[in-house]
Amino acid sequence: SQELEQSPQSLIVQEGKNLTINCTSSKTLYGLYWYKQKYGEGLIFLMMLQKGGEEKSHEKITAKLDEKKQQSSLHITASQPSHAGIYLCGAAGGGSNYKLTFGKGTLLTVNP
Amino acid sequence: DTAVSQTPKYLVTQMGNDKSIKCEQNLGHDTMYWYKQDSKKFLKIMFSYNNKELIINETVPNRFSPKSPDKAHLNLHINSLELGDSAVYFCASSWGQRTAEAFFGQGTRLTVV
Repeated sequence: SQELEQSPQSLIVQEGKNLTINCTSSKTLYGLYWYKQKYGEGLIFLMMLQKGGEEKSHEKITAKLDEKKQQSSLHITASQPSHAGIYLCGAAGGGSNYKLTFGKGTLLTVNP
Repeated sequence: DTAVSQTPKYLVTQMGNDKSIKCEQNLGHDTMYWYKQDSKKFLKIMFSYNNKELIINETVPNRFSPKSPDKAHLNLHINSLELGDSAVYFCASSWGQRTAEAFFGQGTRLTVV
């Protein structure tokens, strides 16, 4: 089965700093999703990447999928307290598969 | 309107009780899921239904039984609750499989005492 490894597990940054969260898969990714979770709330879909080398941005968050489609990074520029939360990467299996597998998440704290 | 709604949001119950969590989506999606998030925030799929048909049934105790009366609803019934069942349960829905952009409910925090 596919496994996703996220690093770091937790991250504390000062407001205004840039940061990167990584997600590595044990198998080729056919679809990689980034979600954000705030305490007491559901997961919020951020971005989906499918093609090798693909990069997408939304406001100050950029996600990239490497050419080999086994690693993705999420980069936040000029972090703000509103960016705080748990970031999870998720992946769908290849072929006919409804199963989404998630990494264990990265807890981001942004200090004002 | 909430896209994926779960009820209740919080549930505190005693060991041995039977409880249900309801989920409804108004997105017209054909696939619905139940996920469990444990105390370490590890999110793991439990069940997946496509057009009311069970597609995925991970290694979950028989005490957990999903029920899908129609495409828009996927309820989770849990019998004989145990302390280890305490977790946050998320319902989600999507179009089809694999490349789907899943929408998640707000979660139900279940505490078994």
